[in-house]
Amino acid sequence: AQTVTQSQPEMSVQEAETVTLSCTYDTSESDYYLFWYKQPPSRQMILVIRQEAYKQQNATENRFSVNFQKAAKSFSLKISDSQLGDAAMYFCACYGGATNKLIFGTGTLLAVQP
Amino acid sequence: DAGVIQSPRHEVTEMGQEVTLRCKPISGHNSLFWYRQTMMRGLELLIYFNNNVPIDDSGMPEDRFSAKMPNASFSTLKIQPSEPRDSAVYFCASSLAIKGEQFFGPGTRLTVL
Repeated sequence: AQTVTQSQPEMSVQEAETVTLSCTYDTSESDYYLFWYKQPPSRQMILVIRQEAYKQQNATENRFSVNFQKAAKSFSLKISDSQLGDAAMYFCACYGGATNKLIFGTGTLLAVQP
Repeated sequence: DAGVIQSPRHEVTEMGQEVTLRCKPISGHNSLFWYRQTMMRGLELLIYFNNNVPIDDSGMPEDRFSAKMPNASFSTLKIQPSEPRDSAVYFCASSLAIKGEQFFGPGTRLTVL
């Protein structure tokens, strides 16, 4: 079974600053993928970034990057130069190749202060 | 590309009524997923299809829920009869392959009175 834990229900960051959202996961599978999704008030689920477990290099998408620590089963999201539009709920998710299921964490609500 | 399309965006119905939610996946995607999101339970996978075939429906809460995918471009999630506890946001998502990243539709907010 897979589990995803986001221990920060809420976070706040000043505009233009950097913030890191935490995520830990547990899986017995060797073939898995990790994702961060963003859900703004419009409730649309938007894929932010993806990491294949077999890749050691951390994924980066513009201002978004991850710190993937496989041994520690940690997958944090760093948002640089935060913008007001980054305010949203962020979900960490783990996809297992054997179960074929995407399991979500409970989410972190990020507020961006002007 | 229009992305995943869901209809209706909002549905308000009375307990006991039949509810049908619709989804059009991204063209060319061969995997389709139905999720439910509530405050209490977060995001839950209800069922998913691969090449129009239901693969895992273990997340479907009760027999009142059913889903179909008659062709590659259309899926429905039906609740009959609906109950107030079914009130939630229902998402449809599609992917190019089962292991691929999933793209979500805008969701249907269902309220059962």
